[in-house]
Amino acid sequence: AQKITQTQPGMFVQEKEAVTLDCTYDTSDPSYGLFWYKQPSSGEMIFLIYQGSYDQQNATEGRYSLNFQKARKSANLVISASQLGDSAMYFCAMRGGWDSSYKLIFGSGTRLLVRP
Amino acid sequence: GAVVSQHPSWVICKSGTSVKIECRSLDFQATTMFWYRQFPKQSLMLMATSNEGSKATYEQGVEKDKFLINHASLTLSTLTVTSAHPEDSSFYICSATGQPNSPLHFGNGTRLTVT
Repeated sequence: AQKITQTQPGMFVQEKEAVTLDCTYDTSDPSYGLFWYKQPSSGEMIFLIYQGSYDQQNATEGRYSLNFQKARKSANLVISASQLGDSAMYFCAMRGGWDSSYKLIFGSGTRLLVRP
Repeated sequence: GAVVSQHPSWVICKSGTSVKIECRSLDFQATTMFWYRQFPKQSLMLMATSNEGSKATYEQGVEKDKFLINHASLTLSTLTVTSAHPEDSSFYICSATGQPNSPLHFGNGTRLTVT
């Protein structure tokens, strides 16, 4: 079975500072993908970053980087130089392999508030 | 980039009526579509997985007779909430993908309010 855990319901960060959003996962699939999505108040799901289970290097996309620690089963999102527009809900998600019917499941989310 | 169109974006209906939500992939063939439900301040909960041409696979606890899913073509999947009740009021969002390891693309969601 797949499981995604986000233990931080809410986080504050000062504008221009970096922030780390935690995510741990569990799966029996040997191959899987880890995602982070941003959901503003309007509701749309905005894809931020992806990490494959076999990727050797941590993924980076602009100000977003994923701290992937496979042995610890963690995939934390790091946002550098926070901006006011980063205030939103952030969801960690995992897509399993064949054993999990390639489903994409989500963690409970972290609400990030960037303070000016 | 790939686009998924979800319609309507919001709907208000009376208790007991049925509501159909459409999810279309505009520029790719979606072999698989996922339907999620999101209650306020909660996460997205997977309701069902829909593969083109076959019956949907529902997650545990989701009533398949209440939430009818049809994936009749490679570009369209529909979710029909039958005999809607106020507790069905929620945000419904679909996502679509082509090959199993291809990216997932999300619709913008449908906010359903049942009065």
